[in-house]
Amino acid sequence: ETGVTQSPTHLIKTRGQQVTLRCSSQSGHNTVSWYQQALGQGPQFIFQYYREEENGRGNFPPRFSGLQFPNYSSELNVNALELDDSALYLCASSGKGFSGVFTDTQYFGPGTRLTVL
Amino acid sequence: DQQVKQNSPSLSVQEGRISILNCDYTNSMFDYFLWYKKYPAEGPTFLISISSIKDKNEDGRFTVFLNKSAKHLSLHIVPSQPGDSAVYFCAATPRWDSNYQLIWGAGTKLIIKP
Repeated sequence: ETGVTQSPTHLIKTRGQQVTLRCSSQSGHNTVSWYQQALGQGPQFIFQYYREEENGRGNFPPRFSGLQFPNYSSELNVNALELDDSALYLCASSGKGFSGVFTDTQYFGPGTRLTVL
Repeated sequence: DQQVKQNSPSLSVQEGRISILNCDYTNSMFDYFLWYKKYPAEGPTFLISISSIKDKNEDGRFTVFLNKSAKHLSLHIVPSQPGDSAVYFCAATPRWDSNYQLIWGAGTKLIIKP
């Protein structure tokens, strides 16, 4: 059973550019959540995808968008990068039963460190 | 507005002694609480959780206590070991929320001294 993987590990971009981060969920998990962790802070919820649809969103602007694919892997896209977008981006996968209630803990990948210059 | 607060940025404890990490929350809708541990260059790893219907949950050396009236929880590690040195995050969620969004504290860096 493979864990959650994320790519790339590190990324450097300049203001105004666009970035795509990728996440492969743990085997058997159908839900992916994305978090942004700024230095010295706890992770902040960006959004979640369940069965290829957005299933909840935190307080992030529309330039943060995502996708989930049929194999439950996911992408986070950020347009018009700003300096404050520099952070560790974490992906977490979990299971969700047919009742819609979570039955599983969120398992995290190692994150992608994004630096915006 | 921080709904989950970990007021101690760091904590240093002698190996073999008890480590106590604290967490306070403000949202009375939270009914499920989790502790995660994070090593450098790794993602957070789930440690232990507690539902609001309980006031204590144990798993080996780790025990979480919940005081709902005070909106306070704590994680006890006994005995502390060098491998416990990490950043510990407290997180909370209203589990009825279908997206199970976790609200996190800022973390406490635990250093176990040999």
